[in-house]
Amino acid sequence: SAVISQKPSRDICQRGTSLTIQCQVDSQVTMMFWYRQQPGQSLTLIATANQGSEATYESGFVIDKFPISRPNLTFSTLTVSNMSPEDSSIYLCSVLIYEGGTWGYTFGSGTRLTVV
Amino acid sequence: AQTVTQSQPEMSVQEAETVTLSCTYDTSESDYYLFWYKQPPSRQMILVIRQEAYKQQNATENRFSVNFQKAAKSFSLKISDSQLGDAAMYFCASPNNAGNMLTFGGGTRLMVKP
Repeated sequence: SAVISQKPSRDICQRGTSLTIQCQVDSQVTMMFWYRQQPGQSLTLIATANQGSEATYESGFVIDKFPISRPNLTFSTLTVSNMSPEDSSIYLCSVLIYEGGTWGYTFGSGTRLTVV
Repeated sequence: AQTVTQSQPEMSVQEAETVTLSCTYDTSESDYYLFWYKQPPSRQMILVIRQEAYKQQNATENRFSVNFQKAAKSFSLKISDSQLGDAAMYFCASPNNAGNMLTFGGGTRLMVKP
């Protein structure tokens, strides 16, 4: 199955700064997704990132706060901008992939962000 | 809107025993996939099992099996011969009606007692 390398694995950041998270996939994929997982909570979709078009954001998430790049079919970045302690979460990227005659979703290992 | 509900925030099971985690979902599609993911403290999302809705047979992966009731929109996960390494958060997930993004249930924390 597809392998995703997500960086950084964790970071502690000062409020007001920005952090860019990277996901590199070992195969070409059309659809990539960014999720946020707040402490003790489930995963919530931030946006869908398709190559060659603007990311599609879910309700409650805006491009100015979470700009996303998708320069090619194997790479994407999510930036968390002007951070506040409320942004402390795990951020995960995911891809939709067709393998072995079936569809599935593979996830990166996550980025644990702490804002102080 | 797509919804996935896990009614058990926490479950515990004795090692070597069997436990069932519940999940219900809402969809207007007739053909779709359903997933169970495991998230240990390492936070990696690990696919446990998937079910294709058009298949009548319940999916099985070693000690993990599902009880898929399409009419009732129920998709429970049974873990047999529970092991200490099974302790984790378990999330049920279903793609939205467009078939792309996943919607997750609230999760069930499974504790395994030695």
